[in-house]
Amino acid sequence: GAGVSQSPSNKVTEKGKDVELRCDPISGHTALYWYRQRLGQGLEFLIYFQGNSAPDKSGLPSDRFSAERTGESVSTLTIQRTQQEDSAVYLCASSLDSVGWTGADTGELFFGEGSRLTVL
Amino acid sequence: AQSVTQLGSHVSVSEGALVLLRCNYSSSVPPYLFWYVQYPNQGLQLLLKYTTGATLVKGINGFEAEFKKSETSFHLTKPSAHMSDAAEYFCAVMRGTGGFKTIFGAGTRLFVKA
Repeated sequence: GAGVSQSPSNKVTEKGKDVELRCDPISGHTALYWYRQRLGQGLEFLIYFQGNSAPDKSGLPSDRFSAERTGESVSTLTIQRTQQEDSAVYLCASSLDSVGWTGADTGELFFGEGSRLTVL
Repeated sequence: AQSVTQLGSHVSVSEGALVLLRCNYSSSVPPYLFWYVQYPNQGLQLLLKYTTGATLVKGINGFEAEFKKSETSFHLTKPSAHMSDAAEYFCAVMRGTGGFKTIFGAGTRLFVKA
């Protein structure tokens, strides 16, 4: 597609329910990131996929959070047993490649519009 | 691991005044540095970046930033603020031991007064 696509754009759920957020990166982008942005705060790194390498999960806040990526395409972020503190905008970004990995890219991230999650 | 510190969560300037948004980073290897901007109700977009070469980099809308290794800084400046510059600005660093992930600072919200 022309840009990074995220769905749903808005999700309201009840505490304790599971949610799935989807990200469709720009075609050909090998790197994919998930960030969390709480109201009025910065971007909190969650997870990073780079090609076929093992993902960097160091930012996932708890074992309720998990993410998968199918090859170099769609990624799904799953939050189990949601809590009110999970309420935030979840941003996905993709990049052609990571600087230094192949030397082929400048490292610019292209962001989706985000999925706004509200846990009641 | 790399990290980013943005000094000042809010900065207010008058229209036409100098804009200075501060960013300091830590990285165990030579970093790649970025500024992103988030306009109200819009997604993040790249403002400018430093990877290698010239340490003074120019971006969109008249912004520029200078990479100063000795100060571990990458401050963002614009000589004359415009009302349309009001937005949230994020400094980011890529590269560090263990990977090439991009880490963002907490952001600085710029207010421009008429």
